[in-house]
Amino acid sequence: AQKITQTQPGMFVQEKEAVTLDCTYDTSDPSYGLFWYKQPSSGEMIFLIYQGSYDQQNATEGRYSLNFQKARKSANLVISASQLGDSAMYFCAMREVFYYGGSQGNLIFGKGTKLSVKP
Amino acid sequence: EPEVTQTPSHQVTQMGQEVILRCVPISNHLYFYWYRQILGQKVEFLVSFYNNEISEKSEIFDDQFSVERPDGSNFTLKIRSTKLEDSAMYFCASSAPGTTYTEAFFGQGTRLTVV
Repeated sequence: AQKITQTQPGMFVQEKEAVTLDCTYDTSDPSYGLFWYKQPSSGEMIFLIYQGSYDQQNATEGRYSLNFQKARKSANLVISASQLGDSAMYFCAMREVFYYGGSQGNLIFGKGTKLSVKP
Repeated sequence: EPEVTQTPSHQVTQMGQEVILRCVPISNHLYFYWYRQILGQKVEFLVSFYNNEISEKSEIFDDQFSVERPDGSNFTLKIRSTKLEDSAMYFCASSAPGTTYTEAFFGQGTRLTVV
């Protein structure tokens, strides 16, 4: 079964508008973290934002915010005021175990959403 | 700003040859990872390394793969006898010590092409 599901293979957004990238996850572990990474065409993976399963507030980092709905097991990324440089692949990822016996737990990635920002 | 560096950025190798992918993690980090991404697909976990030993590995990480931290700075992934299906982008990542959240910082990747 998919642990991380990103249902939007591709999205278009007009420059300066907001866009929401969907992510749902599946875990029975009460302690987990959710991450979003950006992968531009150059290939590197850039960390954007993190949400912990026990965090009461939704995470925000500049123009990025994470709409965390724990009961629905969703962790959507919201990008406000899109810029041309936001065009990239976006990956949602989950880490189920923060710390156990020397392991911080590996990241499980979704298939990604390709965001294209139109001028 | 400290970063994870990987070399080479692109490697082409003949099927059956051994390759070593190199990574220099961020200096105060203790947890090291290798991930791979086949072209157009999602990023997949290969292995994590802590305290000079493998702490987790996926089913992809079979006997043809090995990792090593030969000195205090480098972290390497060796593929003993490459196959065509090993062609992918390989990412090294590292994270800081801590029992709560720490994000993994990724290198820029090594694109491996097996011909």
